[in-house]
Amino acid sequence: QQQVKQSPQSLIVQKGGISIINCAYENTAFDYFPWYQQFPGKGPALLIAIRPDVSEKKEGRFTISFNKSAKQFSLHIMDSQPGDSATYFCAAYTSGTYKYIFGTGTRLKVLA
Amino acid sequence: DADVTQTPRNRITKTGKRIMLECSQTKGHDRMYWYRQDPGLGLRLIYYSFDVKDINKGEISDGYSVSRQAQAKFSLSLESAIPNQTALYFCATGDRGRGITGELFFGEGSRLTVL
Repeated sequence: QQQVKQSPQSLIVQKGGISIINCAYENTAFDYFPWYQQFPGKGPALLIAIRPDVSEKKEGRFTISFNKSAKQFSLHIMDSQPGDSATYFCAAYTSGTYKYIFGTGTRLKVLA
Repeated sequence: DADVTQTPRNRITKTGKRIMLECSQTKGHDRMYWYRQDPGLGLRLIYYSFDVKDINKGEISDGYSVSRQAQAKFSLSLESAIPNQTALYFCATGDRGRGITGELFFGEGSRLTVL
């Protein structure tokens, strides 16, 4: 049973544009929401993460927006660059269980 | 050298064959995981282990088995491979001592094709 729904499945953005990927979850026990970035031929790597007690977290061009009441969170990539072309996974995690539930992934392509 | 090493990186096998994918880590982490990645399905947990005596099934463990030979080694076996086990497999590690963050560190993947 998929507990984290991610959209869109693929995304094409022009260089300099804003990339937005959305995720929704059901289980209110989740208390940590990371985003992982995966380049072709590589394993996923942690990009940015947020806890539900804040509504936004920004690291450079990457921002997570979190809406606890709607049980939704999103990744915004500002000034998207061709080097950002990768697959992005949202995830949800419950402290103490040490188990992640991943979204289905979004393949982002940024055109030069 | 990579902190999380998977072998083999690519493998083609036939239906019914036994296959073992191996994972070793130099990060000193206690948690180890095996995930399967399929297009449109994301990363799905097969098995996970908190130490050599603690192994747990994930959401898609049927058809798979694991062995935690040491803190640093965690292998995944397909006893009798079938074509729908064709996928990209990832090993990941995490440090339980990191508590709330629980960051996972992934290997580079093992691509398995079952004919």
